[in-house]
Amino acid sequence: AQSVTQLDSQVPVFEEAPVELRCNYSSSVSVYLFWYVQYPNQGLQLLLKYLSGSTLVKGINGFEAEFNKSQTSFHLRKPSVHISDTAEYFCAVSVRNSGGSNYKLTFGKGTLLTVNP
Amino acid sequence: DTAVSQTPKYLVTQMGNDKSIKCEQNLGHDTMYWYKQDSKKFLKIMFSYNNKELIINETVPNRFSPKSPDKAHLNLHINSLELGDSAVYFCASSQVWTSSTYNEQFFGPGTRLTVL
Repeated sequence: AQSVTQLDSQVPVFEEAPVELRCNYSSSVSVYLFWYVQYPNQGLQLLLKYLSGSTLVKGINGFEAEFNKSQTSFHLRKPSVHISDTAEYFCAVSVRNSGGSNYKLTFGKGTLLTVNP
Repeated sequence: DTAVSQTPKYLVTQMGNDKSIKCEQNLGHDTMYWYKQDSKKFLKIMFSYNNKELIINETVPNRFSPKSPDKAHLNLHINSLELGDSAVYFCASSQVWTSSTYNEQFFGPGTRLTVL
């Protein structure tokens, strides 16, 4: 079964500093990878996704992530963060069944990014 | 217009009670989901319905019963509420994922359930 590990539960950074949120996954089959963001007291919003093709994917709000198959990683990065980026970030993996009509998202435990002035 | 809406936003109730959470989507999607987020923010899928048919049913106590009256609605009914049911419950929807097309899940704002 697939699983997702987010290595850092909390990441504090200063405004305008770069940030990397780490995500590793395990799966015996091809996967699709996602990063979601959850702002305080809100639902989840998709930041970016990797389905196939280029291993560097760009998302909303200046975030990007790189899929590394050999290291089974999908780390999220932003070169310069803003206070408004303070939120919980979730890495997720989804695997299709053979029929392709049934899948589920498995989430990591989340990383709280806190951007300080 | 809210794409995926849930009611109520907050629900406080006593142990042993029965309660329902409603979810509606106006995106024309044919697949809907319920997720539970516990106090440590861990998010886990509970159920998924496609065209009113149950397609994912994780290991969830049978006190939880999803009901889908039509494609736009997926309600969650919980019987005999327990302290451990306290969590935030998220509804989501998407088009069904086929072998050639990924379809993004859109999440509702969540319902915070507190069992006293």
